[in-house]
Amino acid sequence: AQSVTQPDIHITVSEGASLELRCNYSYGATPYLFWYVQSPGQGLQLLLKYFSGDTLVQGIKGFEAEFKRSQSSFNLRKPSVHWSDAAEYFCAVGAANAGKSTFGDGTTLTVKP
Amino acid sequence: EAQVTQNPRYLITVTGKKLTVTCSQNMNHEYMSWYRQDPGLGLRQIYYSMNVEVTDKGDVPEGYKVSRKEKRNFPLILESPSPNQTSLYFCASSLDASGPGTGELFFGEGSRLTVL
Repeated sequence: AQSVTQPDIHITVSEGASLELRCNYSYGATPYLFWYVQSPGQGLQLLLKYFSGDTLVQGIKGFEAEFKRSQSSFNLRKPSVHWSDAAEYFCAVGAANAGKSTFGDGTTLTVKP
Repeated sequence: EAQVTQNPRYLITVTGKKLTVTCSQNMNHEYMSWYRQDPGLGLRQIYYSMNVEVTDKGDVPEGYKVSRKEKRNFPLILESPSPNQTSLYFCASSLDASGPGTGELFFGEGSRLTVL
């Protein structure tokens, strides 16, 4: 069965600092990998997605993620965080025969002024 | 505008009183799913549907029912709600051209349910 681990429950960074959110997945076949963001009181919105091709994926709002098969990781990065990036971030993994996407428990990002 | 619409957004009810949370999407997506979100537990899938009249259990289906009579609608039914069903519920839909789980999920804004 597929699974996702987000090791960091809560991360605090200063505005303008760089950000990296960790995601590790477990799945035997080639996974579909996603990062979603949830702003307070809102539903989830897709930031980026990876299935194949270039292992460095660009997303919306200046985010990028790198797929590393050898480490089973799909970490999310942003070079310079803005106060509006404060939100909860979810990594998810899916597969063509899995019937669903499986979500991690989420990482809450706080941005200090 | 492409969207997934859930109603009600907020609901307080009592144990045993049947309720339905509606979900409608206007993107002609075949795949629809219900998730519940609880602190520290992420999103857990309740039920999903790959097409009209095709539904299947997710990870936490106990106490819930669904139906898919039309492509655009996927209501979640709590026949006899209990306090452990107090949660934030999300409906989502997806195009999933390569199969369920492979496409971007479009989420509704959520329905916060409290069962007393």
